[in-house]
Amino acid sequence: LAKTTQPISMDSYEGQEVNITCSHNNIATNDYITWYQQFPSQGPRFIIQGYKTKVTNEVASLFIPADRKSSTLSLPRVSLSDTAVYYCLVGAPEGANNLFFGTGTRLTVIP
Amino acid sequence: KAGVTQTPRYLIKTRGQQVTLSCSPISGHRSVSWYQQTPGQGLQFLFEYFSETQRNKGNFPGRFSGRQFSNSRSEMNVSTLELGDSALYLCASSRDRVAYEQYFGPGTRLTVT
Repeated sequence: LAKTTQPISMDSYEGQEVNITCSHNNIATNDYITWYQQFPSQGPRFIIQGYKTKVTNEVASLFIPADRKSSTLSLPRVSLSDTAVYYCLVGAPEGANNLFFGTGTRLTVIP
Repeated sequence: KAGVTQTPRYLIKTRGQQVTLSCSPISGHRSVSWYQQTPGQGLQFLFEYFSETQRNKGNFPGRFSGRQFSNSRSEMNVSTLELGDSALYLCASSRDRVAYEQYFGPGTRLTVT
């Protein structure tokens, strides 16, 4: 499992775009990058997954540079309800079903 | 489609007792994983079951065990409870081998006194 490094915490004002970067220098060729969101006392929720370039869905975008040694989760126009912990995971999409969540990034959205 | 359900949602037990937690995965999902979450250790993988077989196991003592039934429902058991077992226990399900897209339940909050 590739080791990931994320900022421990971030603050943002409502309505701003938030970018959370994750470093994964030893990512393997068949590894994907996956992001989860977790609210207090709830299970994590899958947000987005990508392999390279850019992936976008209804809630977020994921930017992955050509060397794939980092990735950036972009949340457009955050609201107070986006206050949560965001986890970056790296690994093959098929395999051990053993997810390593790390410490995540605690995002606080300020009114 | 109904999500992952876990019962009970809250539980208080005494040291030395045992506890059984239940998880019903999303219909059609055959893989069920269990995680323990504490403020100090974060989210840690316990074990994963697929088609009634334990496929992977995390680094937890043998007091933690589980099983999966033919309908994919899963239970985990913790025997001889210790104070340090107080945690949020989360169950996640996924289709076949799509490991990184898992769907989590709300968790069971276990308090050991």
